[in-house]
Order: sequence, then structure tokens, then C-alpha cells
Amino acid sequence: QSALTQPASVSGSPGQSITISCTGTSSDVGDYNYVSWYQQHPGKAPKLMIYDVSNRPSGVSNRFSGSKSGNTASLTISGLQAEDEADYYCSSYTSSSTYVFGTGTKVTVL
Amino acid sequence: EGQLLESGGGLVQPGGSLRLSCAASGFTFNSYAMSWVRQAPGKGLGWVSSISGSGESTHSADSVKGRFTISRDDSKNTLYLQMNSLRAEDTAVYYCARDLNYYGSGSYYIWGQGTLVTVSS
Repeated sequence: QSALTQPASVSGSPGQSITISCTGTSSDVGDYNYVSWYQQHPGKAPKLMIYDVSNRPSGVSNRFSGSKSGNTASLTISGLQAEDEADYYCSSYTSSSTYVFGTGTKVTVL
Repeated sequence: EGQLLESGGGLVQPGGSLRLSCAASGFTFNSYAMSWVRQAPGKGLGWVSSISGSGESTHSADSVKGRFTISRDDSKNTLYLQMNSLRAEDTAVYYCARDLNYYGSGSYYIWGQGTLVTVSS
């Protein structure tokens, strides 16, 4: 199972909105709504930001939102803040009853 | 909300074995699916293996199938990963993670701090 494809880096200025894409296939992202997004700061464990494509766990800022169209899922961060600078990973359930993560995106706040 | 604490990592020679443990607290352990996720130094996240809340259903990545076995002991609130025939490419920080639900959906809400496994001669 190949990793889902994410851009290596995305940047934005404070207050701006950015969107991270996550491209899979019809055997994973395209066929299931089990898409999650994780934020990981250096040296820390990942944190769940979005699950089931567009749901936010309790305590996660509503500046984070998720969506999906076809084989591509997206994470949008609005009102970008310095604390949002981190690595972000998507993941999806697959037709093989396994899970696959994305390649990861480094978000830089300019 | 709950906590997870991994242990059992360390240095092992190629071809060797290790058993990782993950002690859970603060939530009803047998109500949730559990998983192992790894991260090689400087690399991205990689899903390793998952087990349902009942323990009856398990799935593993092709890269570890036949070598790694996930299991759980609900009486001890502990998740395990038995790793055999270890290879250099298995070197990584191994995270234990709790899913949002019983059957598993890949939504890892609680993570441990990770334990480092180094495979080297």
C-alpha cells in the first residue's frame, strides 16, 4: 500500500488560510469516509485534529476543517497562528482492511 | 481522558525479537480498538497493526505481516506488539494509539509518548 500523497510543505502568514491536500485512490480515500488528520510538533506524539473526513474532536479549534472530493481529502487551517507550525499527516482506511498515512506536510508560519 | 505508556524498546540485533507493551489508564480499555504506529528517524508516520476492542479482529501492514503480532490483555489493560525477525528498516519510534471506537476507524485519539526500537549489529 503506497503512502497517500501530500505536498512536502505549505506556508502562510499569520491570519491567512492554507489548505493541505491528501491524494489517494479509489481503494482508500475515494471509497471510505475514514479519513483522519494529525498534527505533530517536533519531538511530540501526533494529535488527532480531524476524523471521519470532517469531524473535530473535542478541544480542537474550529479553525481546522476537513473535506473530501473524489480521491482527494483536504485540511484547511483558517486564521493561521504561530502555534500551527508543525507537520501534518492524513490517513485513510483501505480496501485491504488496513490503514495508510500520507507522506506528511510541513506547515510554516511566515 | 486517558493515558498510554509504552515500554520494551531498545537495541536489538538483526533477526532478533522484542516485545513492546502499552499500559492504558483512565478509560475503559476493552471498549476501544488499539493500534501501533511507527515513525523512523526523520521520516513520516507508518501504520503497523490494529486490534479490535474484542481482540478477535487484527490487521497488520504487509511489511510486518508474519513477523509482528498484536495482542491485548484486557485484564491488565495492556496492549502488546511481539516483533520477531527484526530488520534494520524496523528501526523507529513505536507509538501505541487508542481509536475513537470499538471496531476501529483509524481515528487515533490518544497516543503514548513512544518507545524507540533500534535494529543494528
